[in-house]
Formats: sequence, C-alpha cells, structure tokens
Amino acid sequence: DVKVTQSSRYLVKRTGEKVFLECVQDMDHENMFWYRQDPGLGLRLIYFSYDVKMKEKGDIPEGYSVSREKKERFSLILESASTNQTSMYLCASSFPLVWREGPDTQYFGPGTRLTVL
Amino acid sequence: SQQGEEDPQALSIQEGENATMNCSYKTSINNLQWYRQNSGRGLVHLILIRSNEREKHSGRLRVTLDTSKKSSSLLITASRAADTASYFCATGLGSGAGSYQLTFGKGTKLSVIP
Repeated sequence: DVKVTQSSRYLVKRTGEKVFLECVQDMDHENMFWYRQDPGLGLRLIYFSYDVKMKEKGDIPEGYSVSREKKERFSLILESASTNQTSMYLCASSFPLVWREGPDTQYFGPGTRLTVL
Repeated sequence: SQQGEEDPQALSIQEGENATMNCSYKTSINNLQWYRQNSGRGLVHLILIRSNEREKHSGRLRVTLDTSKKSSSLLITASRAADTASYFCATGLGSGAGSYQLTFGKGTKLSVIP
C-alpha cells in the first residue's frame, strides 16, 4: 500500500512565525505536490516537484517555498505565516506522467489543518 | 485556474439509491480522474479514464467521458452510508507546461441517508 504521511494533523502558529510542513512518501514516486484546500475554492496547487532538488510553481506559490533534498521527502515552508494562510494543506505523490496519457494517479496524505493566529 | 466543475454542489439520497455526479471542463485533456474525500481527510483515488475511453467500471462505480461535450459523469450504484463524502473530478493535460498537474474541481458533497 502506498503511504503518504504528513508531519502533523493539526498545527497552530502565530502570525510571522516560520512554519515547516513535512511530507514523506514510501513508494519511490518521482512527483510530489503541495495543495491547499479552502471551502468554496477546492484544491489549489501551491508547488510541485518532479525530481530531487527540482521544483515548479503551481497556481498560488506566493508566500510559500518548498524543499526537496531527498526523493521521499517534500517540505512546504511558510516563511512568515499570515492569517490568510489558515487552511488545510494536502501533500500528494505520483509516478511520472506517461507521454500522451496524462498525469498518473496521485496518492494523498491525511492533510494538515493549519491555523495561523 | 479551475478546469473541472462538478454538478451538483451537494446531493442527498437514501441508502440503496443511485448517485450521479457530473463534471464539465474547458480544455482538451489526456485523462480525467475521480477522487473521494471523507470529511477532514486526504483524497483517495477512485478511477482514471483516458481521453480515448468512453466508459469505465470499478465495482459499484461507473464513469463516462464525452470529450465532444467536455464532460464526465460518476455513477455510484446501490449507495451506502459509507459513500457519504465529497467527490472531485481532476483533469490532466499530458503535455506542455501543465503536464504534471491535475486540476481539481470544487467537488460534489454526497450525503447518503441510512
């Protein structure tokens, strides 16, 4: 069974703090993704990585950065947390896309509900 | 950018009934995927249908894809209370700058009443 784990289920931080969200997958997947999920807005892609040390911006990268030093681990960093970053954060991983067949199935972690006060 | 849009936003049915959810999208795709999310949890993949396929089955799930209408439907037959969840469609382009990404809709919230 594919397992994607996230470091915390719930996290409470103060405005201005630096926040690290960790994601680890055990399936040797090349691709890893960070999303945020907000009511009425669905899932929005923040960043993704298709290889170690590689990263690409998603739809809403502002205020976030990422790090992928090892294949199995993808970290999301909030450099200076703000209240509008209160959200559910979801990590996912997948095998590489197959040419002309599109992106492969994504496997999600349980999510981290972050509250910034 | 939001690609897939599910319809209806919410659906309430009795246990044993069938549930149908629809997804419409705007641009050409290489595949379309459906995911389920139980309240406050991560998403779980249900089924993937490629652009050259018209229908796919998995257990009590049936997915159709009409690329000419840019739409897909997910049918859950003989629903159970455990099917209560939000259901999302996600579209994949397969080429170009967005080729790694899935773009998710906002979801349909299904409630199955025992």
